[in-house]
Amino acid sequence: GQNIDQPTEMTATEGAIVQINCTYQTSGFNGLFWYQQHAGEAPTFLSYNVLDGLEEKGRFSSFLSRSKGYSYLLLKELQMKDSASYLCAARDSNYQLIWGAGTKLIIKP
Amino acid sequence: GAVVSQHPSWVICKSGTSVKIECRSLDFQATTMFWYRQFPKQSLMLMATSNEGSKATYEQGVEKDKFLINHASLTLSTLTVTSAHPEDSSFYICSARDPAAGDTGELFFGEGSRLTVL
Repeated sequence: GQNIDQPTEMTATEGAIVQINCTYQTSGFNGLFWYQQHAGEAPTFLSYNVLDGLEEKGRFSSFLSRSKGYSYLLLKELQMKDSASYLCAARDSNYQLIWGAGTKLIIKP
Repeated sequence: GAVVSQHPSWVICKSGTSVKIECRSLDFQATTMFWYRQFPKQSLMLMATSNEGSKATYEQGVEKDKFLINHASLTLSTLTVTSAHPEDSSFYICSARDPAAGDTGELFFGEGSRLTVL
């Protein structure tokens, strides 16, 4: 079956760096997405990886290893507003998105 | 980026009534829109894929007669929860792809609609 695994919750300190991991098993693969979702709001797009390697976008970076079925989202210089859930989603051979349950990130002062 | 607007944001209704939620793409045409349901602390659950001018494609386990989807134009899809019951209370979110956004397939989400059925 198809599956996405990511930690349920993580805690980090303001100004620090945090890495949120995601492993996936899908029927075929057509890209890995990361979305940010604040409580009670809809998700917003953060990043997209389809090739192996690191994609950097400001304070956020996303890494993909297709051979390992693994991705991570790296958040640097954490700010309080980064407190949110981070959703990992993999797109399968039918271009269907398989969503992880999300990682709730708690930022402490 | 592209904008998707969803209305209403909050709705409270009595059990047995029907509720309509609208999803609009404001600055692009969306031939396909997606409807999700999300329970607290859980992932997005795809309910159905809404196709402009044709019937929606429902995911397994989603009742077609319960959740009516209409995609009458390239900028509007509606989800109607018919004869709502308390177990239908949830956060409903729509999304769409902007064809001009390239091959990433990035989804643009509406603000979400929180339905509470009393």
